[in-house]
Amino acid sequence: KAGVTQTPRYLIKTRGQQVTLSCSPISGHRSVSWYQQTPGQGLQFLFEYFSETQRNKGNFPGRFSGRQFSNSRSEMNVSTLELGDSALYLCASSLGQGNREQYFGPGTRLTVT
Amino acid sequence: QKEVEQNSGPLSVPEGAIASLNCTYSDRGSQSFFWYRQYSGKSPELIMSIYSNGDKEDGRFTAQLNKASQYVSLLIRDSQPSDSATYLCAVNRRGGADGLTFGKGTHLIIQP
Repeated sequence: KAGVTQTPRYLIKTRGQQVTLSCSPISGHRSVSWYQQTPGQGLQFLFEYFSETQRNKGNFPGRFSGRQFSNSRSEMNVSTLELGDSALYLCASSLGQGNREQYFGPGTRLTVT
Repeated sequence: QKEVEQNSGPLSVPEGAIASLNCTYSDRGSQSFFWYRQYSGKSPELIMSIYSNGDKEDGRFTAQLNKASQYVSLLIRDSQPSDSATYLCAVNRRGGADGLTFGKGTHLIIQP
């Protein structure tokens, strides 16, 4: 089976802009979670989607949003980018329905200048 | 108190020895526990999951869980230089819709 894929892999944006990141889960996986990884804060949970519904959200401002499509693919959006949003954004998929084993994609490296 | 705590290391272990990585968590309601390996510049890779007290073995890896002590560990037997990486402990604090809470990771170095 193909793994989790994320696009784009690298992105450079300017403060104030917005960005959309995409994630395709492992075939058959219905749950997609997003995480932010920075050297200072480590891996932090952003939100999780299952069957097109956001199930839970981490402690991030409303500028961070996401959605999931009927084929389980997911996108996250960050509006009004700030320098502190520079990070590795990771998507993880799992079967869902109580199966919590999550498999990560390669990530999108976002740099905000 | 941090929710998931790990010693940041680096932890240096000679090749062929047993590497022991430890993790403590604060939420007694935690139900699922995971170990991820992350090589520099790469994304985390799931290597072990454990859900009940005791040991779980998979090849050279053994995960140990003690819910009473709120303690999870990972043992790597016959350590190889390729095991050099950062090991992340992750906890699912509730059985339902909640994301994983990660520790900051332990940097493991296997010395040839």
